[in-house]
Amino acid sequence: SYVVTQPPSVSVAPGQTARITCGANKIGSRSVHWYHQKPGQAPVLVVYDDSDRPSGIPERFSGSNSGNTATLIISRVEAGDEADYYCQVWDTSGDQYVFGTGTKVTVL
Amino acid sequence: EVQLLESGGGLIQPGGSLRLSCAASGFTFSGFAMTWVRQAPGKGLEWVSGISGSAAYTYYADPVKGRFTISRDNSKNTVYLQMNSLRPEDTAVYHCAKGIEEAATNPLGNWGQGTLVTVSS
Repeated sequence: SYVVTQPPSVSVAPGQTARITCGANKIGSRSVHWYHQKPGQAPVLVVYDDSDRPSGIPERFSGSNSGNTATLIISRVEAGDEADYYCQVWDTSGDQYVFGTGTKVTVL
Repeated sequence: EVQLLESGGGLIQPGGSLRLSCAASGFTFSGFAMTWVRQAPGKGLEWVSGISGSAAYTYYADPVKGRFTISRDNSKNTVYLQMNSLRPEDTAVYHCAKGIEEAATNPLGNWGQGTLVTVSS
């Protein structure tokens, strides 16, 4: 099966930039989607197809994807960005989606 | 406004069956894929199954293949998840989610709050 790994946690000061990675074999050849989930709430799509933003998502959220690593970038971090973040990738060999292990973002 | 309302969860013994439903509103149901994603208590997201808007294509995660069946009734704006041979490791909140397009390989733009399934004797 396709294994997708994320760092368990990332800490960032307000106003700074947070980078959350999603690692997998040749992930750069696949489309990666990102979600955040706040406690007690359903997940929300924040970036799709590596770097596109759904309507209503601030421009502070962006993404990149190359080689074996995809990255979600949150610029000018705010307290409200504190959440769990998950990447999602389609496993073409298994015909199924795979979520990353999740990263807890803490705003200091 | 898109609304997704899951139902059908509950306490079930190992080996038992349960059918989850997700009633959708606020969009043209047949035009969008629907997906089930679960989250065990205190754990991360796990993709379970997806179905295209026309129901022509269905997909399953390895842990549920052969036990779970996804289906949809476009006349009732409802997607279902039939779960058989349930195991304790199937215990989770099951979220229904709407794809951003017709194909089930698209990302998930809207999510329901979920329904809790507990498999225990």
